Amino acid sequence: AQRVTQPEKLLSVFKGAPVELKCNYSYSGSPELFWYVQYSRQRLQLLLRHISRESIKGFTADLNKGETSFHLKKPFAQEEDSAMYYCALSTYNTDKLIFGTGTRLQVFP
Amino acid sequence: DTEVTQTPKHLVMGMTNKKSLKCEQHMGHRAMYWYKQKAKKPPELMFVYSYEKLSINESVPSRFSPECPNSSLLNLHLHALQPEDSALYLCASSPTGWNTIYFGEGSWLTVV
Repeated sequence: AQRVTQPEKLLSVFKGAPVELKCNYSYSGSPELFWYVQYSRQRLQLLLRHISRESIKGFTADLNKGETSFHLKKPFAQEEDSAMYYCALSTYNTDKLIFGTGTRLQVFP
Repeated sequence: DTEVTQTPKHLVMGMTNKKSLKCEQHMGHRAMYWYKQKAKKPPELMFVYSYEKLSINESVPSRFSPECPNSSLLNLHLHALQPEDSALYLCASSPTGWNTIYFGEGSWLTVV
């Protein structure tokens, strides 16, 4: 069965510090991986997906199939990055999107 | 129109009431979803419709009844709910199941 693990419930950093939100997945095939973000009182929205290889708002994530990881990184955190971040997995030819438990990022001034 | 729209934003209902949550998208997406999200928890998949047919039911109690009248609309009919069903109910849509899923703002449901 597919599974997504985010080991940190809360990550607190100061503005300008590097950030890494960890995500590990369990799936024997080729997954499609996403990072979704939920800002306070806003809808859940896509931050990035691994297949597009984009950098959104300074965030990047690289799929490491050997380590089954898809960690989210940003070199210099901003206060407006404070939000709930969910790693999610989908598999080819299914309609399911499986979420990890989420990591709350707090960026202090 | 690039949004998923949900109504109502807030709903308070008694345990004997019957109510419905509504969802609409005009992006031509063929998959539509209902998720349930409790406070400080990730969204949990409830139902998936693909081409207007129910393709996934994650063992949701029958007091929740989904309906997809057409490719743009998705309803969730609620009857005889329990207080523990109080949550944020999220509707979402996707061009295909393996693609980006777009979420609505959600309907906050309180069962009293």
